[in-house]
Amino acid sequence: GAVVSQHPSRVICKSGTSVKIECRSLDFQATTMFWYRQFPKKSLMLMATSNEGSKATYEQGVEKDKFLINHASLTLSTLTVTSAHPEDSSFYICSASGGGEQYFGPGTRLTVT
Amino acid sequence: DAKTTQPPSMDCAEGRAANLPCNHSTISGNEYVYWYRQIHSQGPQYIIHGLKNNETNEMASLIITEDRKSSTLILPHATLRDTAVYYCIVRVAVSGANSKLTFGKGITLSVRP
Repeated sequence: GAVVSQHPSRVICKSGTSVKIECRSLDFQATTMFWYRQFPKKSLMLMATSNEGSKATYEQGVEKDKFLINHASLTLSTLTVTSAHPEDSSFYICSASGGGEQYFGPGTRLTVT
Repeated sequence: DAKTTQPPSMDCAEGRAANLPCNHSTISGNEYVYWYRQIHSQGPQYIIHGLKNNETNEMASLIITEDRKSSTLILPHATLRDTAVYYCIVRVAVSGANSKLTFGKGITLSVRP
């Protein structure tokens, strides 16, 4: 299957700071990328959907000003958690689709202290 | 609202077949059945999908009942590395923003030595 990478795999930051997570499709052009969040022992929850060159569409209850998503190219999308707080600590996972199936990245573990 | 229901957990012996059930009694005629799995602390991995015919690939087989209200994922020879949470998902479109995946709680498969 296609390869999707995420960077960093783990990040620890202090409360109030911002953190950027990158999602890259390595061997295909991703016209659509999705961002999910997963709390311990819970299922994945979709946060937002982004199409290259367009503004992201956020799911109900997800603050767009707090979780900034940029999908500036067909191989890269970024999620920036602004003014992070301990409750933002979670496992963030992206997926990418080139018009066919969705392929998931390995996830980023964010810990806010 | 959950569109699929799965038992919370099951186990099987290594080397034996693992049969994972899924109910999707409200599935629409144009909805596919997808299976993903998530090994601990990793991103989900695509396994297989089907519309109404049974499907087989190198990972698994998917058996869909004639009325399409339920399906079974079969791992023919389970190994310890198949221990994971398996998600059964139904969705309509294949491409673009409409292809978002809604994850339920999944079924935790434990393969014992």
